[in-house]
Amino acid sequence: QLVLTQSPSASASLGASVKLTCTLNSGHSSYAIAWHQLQPEKGPRYLMKINSDGSHSKGDGIPDRFSGSSSGAERYLTISSLQSEDEADYYCQTWGTGVQVFGGGTKLSVL
Amino acid sequence: QEQLVESGGGVVQPGRSLRLSCSASGFTFSSYGMQWVRQAPGKGLEWVAIISHDGTDTYYSESVKGRFSISRDNSKKMLYLQMNSLRVEDTAVYYCARGFYSLGWFIDYWGQGTLVTVSA
Repeated sequence: QLVLTQSPSASASLGASVKLTCTLNSGHSSYAIAWHQLQPEKGPRYLMKINSDGSHSKGDGIPDRFSGSSSGAERYLTISSLQSEDEADYYCQTWGTGVQVFGGGTKLSVL
Repeated sequence: QEQLVESGGGVVQPGRSLRLSCSASGFTFSSYGMQWVRQAPGKGLEWVAIISHDGTDTYYSESVKGRFSISRDNSKKMLYLQMNSLRVEDTAVYYCARGFYSLGWFIDYWGQGTLVTVSA
């Protein structure tokens, strides 16, 4: 069964950088994933898709401050020069055989 | 500019039915797979269903299989979710989402969501 694991929370200071992690379970380390952002009182926003080789494609209008990378079964979302509006929930997502899977989400606090 | 607008949410009693709609604009609707995703209060995102660009293929999460039905009308650029035998645990914000296929199905545009409350 395909599972995505995320830390429940993360925090970083205004202007700093933060790296969020999404881990694929055993047997699925070659899967691509996508990152989505949920800001309070707003609909979700697609950020980027990350392949197992680390190549990634961003959604429309996503700032350069957002980048993605990959190592083994881990897929990363790095946000640099943190701004207050980056405080949100971040979800990773992938596709198994006939089923869409979401990670549990990471709540990012900008201090 | 791509836009997805959901409608049809509301308060419904357990066991009753409700149909959600999603109006698409700004892209060639008939070229894309479409999905429904929900978020229960205080919970994370949960995938509900997906339909292929031409409506021939559909997949459902185990939690809604047999109760919910996803469909589309490409001539009207509309996506639907028929929800039957609703349960309290179906209470959530329901999002319409556009999918693209690249080594699997992914979502690249989301609507703002419509709230469904199942309560006696």
